[in-house]
Order: sequence, then structure tokens, then C-alpha cells
Amino acid sequence: AQSVAQPEDQVNVAEGNPLTVKCTYSVSGNPYLFWYVQYPNRGLQFLLKYITGDNLVKGSYGFEAEFNKSQTSFHLKKPSALVSDSALYFCAVILGDNFNKFYFGSGTKLNVKP
Amino acid sequence: SAVISQKPSRDICQRGTSLTIQCQVDSQVTMMFWYRQQPGQSLTLIATANQGSEATYESGFVIDKFPISRPNLTFSTLTVSNMSPEDSSIYLCSVLRGGLYGYTFGSGTRLTVV
Repeated sequence: AQSVAQPEDQVNVAEGNPLTVKCTYSVSGNPYLFWYVQYPNRGLQFLLKYITGDNLVKGSYGFEAEFNKSQTSFHLKKPSALVSDSALYFCAVILGDNFNKFYFGSGTKLNVKP
Repeated sequence: SAVISQKPSRDICQRGTSLTIQCQVDSQVTMMFWYRQQPGQSLTLIATANQGSEATYESGFVIDKFPISRPNLTFSTLTVSNMSPEDSSIYLCSVLRGGLYGYTFGSGTRLTVV
């Protein structure tokens, strides 16, 4: 079965510090990886994706993520966190044989404290 | 990316009743998707809706419980039928336009069944 794991329900960081939100996946076939952010009472907003090419991808709001095939991971990172980054973050995978279905992780709540 | 208007944004309903959620897109799209986000959990795909054909439901979801309409290329509805408290969730529609780069999610409908 396909699965996406976000091992941390919550991540707490101080403003200005680097942040990492972890994501690992277990799928058969070639994965296409995404990060989405959900603010309260808002829909999911696209942050970044890995399709092919350079393993380090840069996205919106200064976020980046590194695709690591050997570790089947796609951790989200930001060098310097902002209070406004506080939100719920979802990692998601699409498989190459079915572009119509996302497999989502359980979500990680990021709290950035002033 | 496409702009999605989802209505209602929230509702509180009595058990045994039904609620229809509307999803309006600002442009024509082939694929529309309905997701459920149960409290504290990730998003799960309910069904995929193509215009002019019956929706395709994921395992664990049936048409009698979640009938879907897709009358044209910009609109879809999801009905949650004969509701019980277990149906309390956020329901989101999503559209795909422009390949893997074009997924957009609505802001969701927060449903509480009492």
C-alpha cells in the first residue's frame, strides 16, 4: 500500500531559527512529491514540488525541500522561520501511473514563537 | 492556477439530514476531486468527478452516501447523505488544470453533525 508519513504531529521553533518538517514515503513506482500548507479556515496552498531533476527544490515563501531517493524522504526546510509560517503542513505524493490521486501525510502543525 | 469557490464554508447539521456542497471553478477543468479531512487527520480522496460521466469512488466511499454531480466543466456538487456525527469533517474540492503543476484546492466546507 502507498503511504506518506509525517512523523511529527507538531514542530515548535523560535522565530529566526531554521525549521525542518519531515516527510517520508513508501510507494511503488515513481513518486512525484509535493508540500502544501493550510492556514486556519483556508484551503490548501501549494508550496513546492519535486517532479524530476535537481533534488533540491525551492518554493514559495522561502521554503525548500530535498528529495532523497535512498532515504525515501522529502523534508521541508526554511533557513529562518517567521511567526507567519505557523500553519499546518502536508506532504503529498502522486504516482506516475495515476496523476489523479494524492496520497497525503497526516500533517504537521508548525508553531513559530516570537 | 484556477480559483475555486466552495459553499457553504461551514454548517452545523442534524443527524439524518443531507447537505450539498458546491464547488465553482473560474475556468473549465476536466478533472474535479472531492476530499475529506477528518478531525486531526489527513486528506482522503472521496471521488473523482469528470463532466458527463459518473464519479469514480475510492475504496470505502459509495455513491449512495456521497452522491456527486458534475453538470458542466466549471461546477460540481458533493452531497453528504443521511449524516451521522462521524461525517463531521472538512470537505474540500480540488481541480487539476495544466498537468502536475495545476492542482488547486478550495477553502473547504467545515461540517459538524449533531
